[in-house]
Amino acid sequence: KAGVTQTPRYLIKTRGQQVTLSCSPISGHRSVSWYQQTPGQGLQFLFEYFSETQRNKGNFPGRFSGRQFSNSRSEMNVSTLELGDSALYLCASSFPDRVHTEAFFGQGTRLTVV
Amino acid sequence: GEDVEQSLFLSVREGDSSVINCTYTDSSSTYLYWYKQEPGAGLQLLTYIFSNMDMKQDQRLTVLLNKKDKHLSLRIADTQTGDSAIYFCAETPRGGGSQGNLIFGKGTKLSVKP
Repeated sequence: KAGVTQTPRYLIKTRGQQVTLSCSPISGHRSVSWYQQTPGQGLQFLFEYFSETQRNKGNFPGRFSGRQFSNSRSEMNVSTLELGDSALYLCASSFPDRVHTEAFFGQGTRLTVV
Repeated sequence: GEDVEQSLFLSVREGDSSVINCTYTDSSSTYLYWYKQEPGAGLQLLTYIFSNMDMKQDQRLTVLLNKKDKHLSLRIADTQTGDSAIYFCAETPRGGGSQGNLIFGKGTKLSVKP
């Protein structure tokens, strides 16, 4: 079956602009999580969505937001971009239940803010 | 606060064993994970261990968990050049049981010399 698909793969934006990234989870997966990866800070959790509701949120400013649609596809938005937002943004999907399940990661969207 | 620490680099010769170490802070973590990231790719789950286990073996991979010292290690037997990648240790935050919200270390870059 198809893996987690993130679009676009690469993006260049200017400071002050906004950007929307998309994540299509594996079919049947209802949980989608977003992470930011930078050389300095490593991988940091942004937020998790499950059944269209934000279930967990990391420690990021309000400029970072997300949503999930009824088909489990998710988008994240970053407004008023700053140079420090340049990073690899990774999305992961899983089918959460009480038993431990594996999360599958997409290849990421590389965002460069200039 | 919650934190996961790893050494940043490890270099080994092909055929040797590699041992990647990790310390974590949250004693209530239910699961601990090892992920692998190859250049330009997302994260791939290698293995995980439940917190009530001391050891888990999966083919060339052996995970050891010392809960008292909050120390996790990943041993790769007969390391191959294809094992060259960045390896991340991760834990679930307090009370979490899914992989929707993980705390990652900064990663250990494994270089395998022929």
